[in-house]
Order: sequence, then C-alpha cells, then structure tokens
Amino acid sequence: AQKITQTQPGMFVQEKEAVTLDCTYDTSDQSYGLFWYKQPSSGEMIFLIYQGSYDEQNATEGRYSLNFQKARKSANLVISASQLGDSAMYFCAMRELGYQLTFGKGTKLSVIP
Amino acid sequence: EADIYQTPRYLVIGTGKKITLECSQTMGHDKMYWYQQDPGMELHLIHYSYGVNSTEKGDLSSESTVSRIRTEHFPLTLESARPSHTSQYLCASSEGGGGPQHFGDGTRLSIL
Repeated sequence: AQKITQTQPGMFVQEKEAVTLDCTYDTSDQSYGLFWYKQPSSGEMIFLIYQGSYDEQNATEGRYSLNFQKARKSANLVISASQLGDSAMYFCAMRELGYQLTFGKGTKLSVIP
Repeated sequence: EADIYQTPRYLVIGTGKKITLECSQTMGHDKMYWYQQDPGMELHLIHYSYGVNSTEKGDLSSESTVSRIRTEHFPLTLESARPSHTSQYLCASSEGGGGPQHFGDGTRLSIL
C-alpha cells in the first residue's frame, strides 16, 4: 500500500485564489512527521511546511497552511492568494521511525493569470 | 537558509564512464541522503548516512555507492554508467530531532 497518496496529478487555480492540495498517509506509528515541498521546473526541492503528529494546531507559514486531520490521516496543503510563482510540483512526504522521508507522487499546480 | 551544494548541475557522459556526483553541506548536519528522481515522478531514497563512516542503502535498489569520510561531504559514485542511470539525483541533509531535510539543487545526469 502507498504510504503517501496524492490523488491530484494536476491542478489549476486562478491567480489570487486559494487552492488545496490533497495528501493522505498510511502509518501505524504514533509519532510521525508530515512535510510539504515545492519543486519548480528548475528542479530544486524547497521545504514549505511541517506538521508533527502530536501538534494540536495546524501549521502555518505565511501563505501556506496545513490542514491536518489525524483521524482521517490527511494533511492537505492550503495555499492562499495564489501567485504565478506558485506554479510548480508539490510533494507531500512523511517521516516515521528514523529520519528517512517517503514521498508521494506529487501534484503539478498551474496558476492562471 | 540551508547551505548544501551539488556539483555538477548537469552532466552528459558516455556509457561505461566512472562518475562521481559531489554533495557538500556547511551546516554540520549529521544526516545526509541521496534521492533519485525521474522527470515528473516522486523521489526515491537510494542512500543515506547518519554520520561519518555510516552509510545505508535506501528503499530503491541502486548500482551506485556512497562514502562518508567527512561530516560535510557525501559523494555518490557510479563505477560504470549506463543509460538506465539517466535521472536527476538530489542530495539532502538534516539535523537531529527530526527537522526538515534541506536539498541541494540536484544533478541532472544523462548517459548516452
């Protein structure tokens, strides 16, 4: 079974609108971490936001917020006020025991002017 | 700001050559990682290290090897490159305590 599932291969959003990128995960561990990364066409991976399994508050970083629903095992990324520069691949990842990350297949976001 | 550097950024080379991809970080992180990523696909962990003289294979089988003689340096070597090795290779590092991994810009490798 996939540990990280991103069901949206591609998404379009109008500039200045908000968009939600879906991520569900599968783990039997009580302690884990969830991460979102952005990958522009240039190829580098940019860390956006982190949520720990014991964090009660949803994480926020500027225009990025993580909608964490533990019972549903979902960790959706919300980008508010989309900008053209947000066009990129977005990857959800999970850390269980140890320090390795398991990545989802990604969602390609296109922001339309 | 993460300081992790990969060289070369791009490499086009013939079959059978020995290749070393360089990765260095200046943050003093103990943990370092190598990922392989085909275009538009997910990242797969191929090697990781939790400290000097410690290396482990990741989830994806790879013909590459790594070494960790110094904390800041984690090179990846392909002894005899083949077209199937064509991919992007991303290096990352992290500090203890489970913080995020910080990535280099990647090496896009093309084997002819």
